[in-house]
Formats: sequence, C-alpha cells, structure tokens
Amino acid sequence: DAKTTQPPSMDCAEGRAANLPCNHSTISGNEYVYWYRQIHSQGPQYIIHGLKNNETNEMASLIITEDRKSSTLILPHATLRDTAVYYCIVRAAFYNQGGKLIFGQGTELSVKP
Amino acid sequence: DAGITQSPRHKVTETGTPVTLRCHQTENHRYMYWYRQDPGHGLRLIHYSYGVKDTDKGEVSDGYSVSRSKTEDFLLTLESATSSQTSVYFCAISVGDSEPEQFFGPGTRLTVL
Repeated sequence: DAKTTQPPSMDCAEGRAANLPCNHSTISGNEYVYWYRQIHSQGPQYIIHGLKNNETNEMASLIITEDRKSSTLILPHATLRDTAVYYCIVRAAFYNQGGKLIFGQGTELSVKP
Repeated sequence: DAGITQSPRHKVTETGTPVTLRCHQTENHRYMYWYRQDPGHGLRLIHYSYGVKDTDKGEVSDGYSVSRSKTEDFLLTLESATSSQTSVYFCAISVGDSEPEQFFGPGTRLTVL
C-alpha cells in the first residue's frame, strides 16, 4: 500500500501558485519524498525529491515539515500544461530497495484559464 | 526521454497467447523496471532488474516473467495472456547518482481479448 495520502483532485487558476499537499505520517528516517506527475496517458515525469530540507528546481518547490509527516509541492505559476495527476511517493533510500516506487492514487490537478 | 523506447506501442492479442514487450535504453543504466497501470490507478511494479541477468519481483509479478540478457534491453513476457493483463505497461530506468530518479518510457497499451 502507498504510504501517502493526497486529495483526489484540486483546481488552480492559470498563473497562480498550485499547492499540492501530501501526508506521510509513517515516514521513516531514511525515506525520501518524491513527486512525479503524469500528463494524460504519458509516462510519469519526475519533478523533485527531498529528505529533510526544502528543495527547489526549475519545475517546482518542495516544502517538507519539520517532523517530516507532510509535504507540499508548489508550482509557482501554474499553466494549462501543468494539468496532470501528481503523485507523492515515499521511497526508501536507493541502496535499500533499488529505487522501487509505490504509487498511490495521486491528485488530479486541473489548471483553469 | 532519457533514451527509453518501448515496443510495440500497441498490441491486441487473444487469451492464452504468449506476449513479449520490449524496453530498450541507449544509455547503459543499470536499473530497469516494468510497471502496469490500470484505469483509475497509479502504477504498480511488476519486476525490476539491477543488472544483466539480475532481476527481482515487484508487487504484481504473478503471470509475468522478465529477462535481461544485455544492459540495454529488458523484456517482459506474459507466458499465457489473460484478460486481467489488459493494461498499459510502462518501462522505467533509474538515472542519477546517490538517489536517482526514474525516467519512464512512453508506454505499451496491451489489450487481451
């Protein structure tokens, strides 16, 4: 079973920030938080990952709470092309389980004009 | 796309026939994965490989076998296809150093009649 809980759907206005929450209350010390998204029938696309600290790359920012029990993915200026299903995944350190990913249901983000 | 291709992209077959799906990578990455995705669900891991001739089972491996005789190819075989194996199949590779991310292929849509 997935170790994360996400809202099934969210809407966001184009140009505004999209904040996607994820709960992972049972996360353990050597587990990472990964975010992927899947745009209609395509293969999932890696977005960002983190362990403890907040992370930012050209696509998004990842905010992890101090107790690591939840996180938020932020798309700073959502566009229509960001409409997708977003998956929050808790993954063990690579040396531990070979990078296996367990996907949940994800959040379906709809960006509206 | 990290140099991943899948073939065929679409296949229709009949119950009881053998089917082999191919995943090909051009960049010599060690870890490769096969997932399946059913309507309304996230991806589920079938098998993965951590090197030539080194493979292991995922969460939904029953009815599937895999082979990896060379680094660039990872084959998924349905020995005797069943209607429950109608799905979209995604191949992935792990790319990166200490905590690599997975890059996914475009998928193969398999229909078993």
